[in-house]
Amino acid sequence: GENVEQHPSTLSVQEGDSAVIKCTYSDSASNYFPWYKQELGKGPQLIIDIRSNVGEKKDQRIAVTLNKTAKHFSLHITETQPEDSAVYFCAASRYSSASKIIFGSGTRLSIRP
Amino acid sequence: GAVVSQHPSRVICKSGTSVKIECRSLDFQATTMFWYRQFPKQSLMLMATSNEGSKATYEQGVEKDKFLINHASLTLSTLTVTSAHPEDSSFYICSTPGLAGGLETQYFGPGTRLLVL
Repeated sequence: GENVEQHPSTLSVQEGDSAVIKCTYSDSASNYFPWYKQELGKGPQLIIDIRSNVGEKKDQRIAVTLNKTAKHFSLHITETQPEDSAVYFCAASRYSSASKIIFGSGTRLSIRP
Repeated sequence: GAVVSQHPSRVICKSGTSVKIECRSLDFQATTMFWYRQFPKQSLMLMATSNEGSKATYEQGVEKDKFLINHASLTLSTLTVTSAHPEDSSFYICSTPGLAGGLETQYFGPGTRLLVL
């Protein structure tokens, strides 16, 4: 079945540095790739998403890249801040409003002051 | 503001009792909603797809008679954990499709933490 792999499982970076999280997916029909941030005890919050018709998308300090040929997609956070500390999940879906989303295993990001 | 709400936010119950969790889509009407379960330090695992006016679709390995899903209206889905046991203790999260910038996306609720004693 569909599978999404995510690396690394934990990541610690100095405040102000960049953080990169990478994911691969198995279902070649996937066309929607959201990223979620989850803080302790809360539900996941959508931070950025990308669809298969584009290769890169940026929103302030956050950017996502997609390589459909290699089935890779990555999250880049620049100028990291303490409030970026959280668990980040990548996900993939054959998107329509009725499509299920398959999550990666998560990356626990810690920002060192 | 919140797009999806869940009630209760946390619940403690005795083993053998049943617990009902509500998920409400606040901004969008949803013919389909999703229920996930998340164990500590793990990812979200899809349990079932809730379909308005018809039976839910369960993922492999999820007992449909134990996790009853009812999607009574376009804004409300309920998950009932029947005869709960300690191993059912988990974080239950629902999601609903919606629009962001005119494009389809999916929004998640704040979650319900269930502790079965």
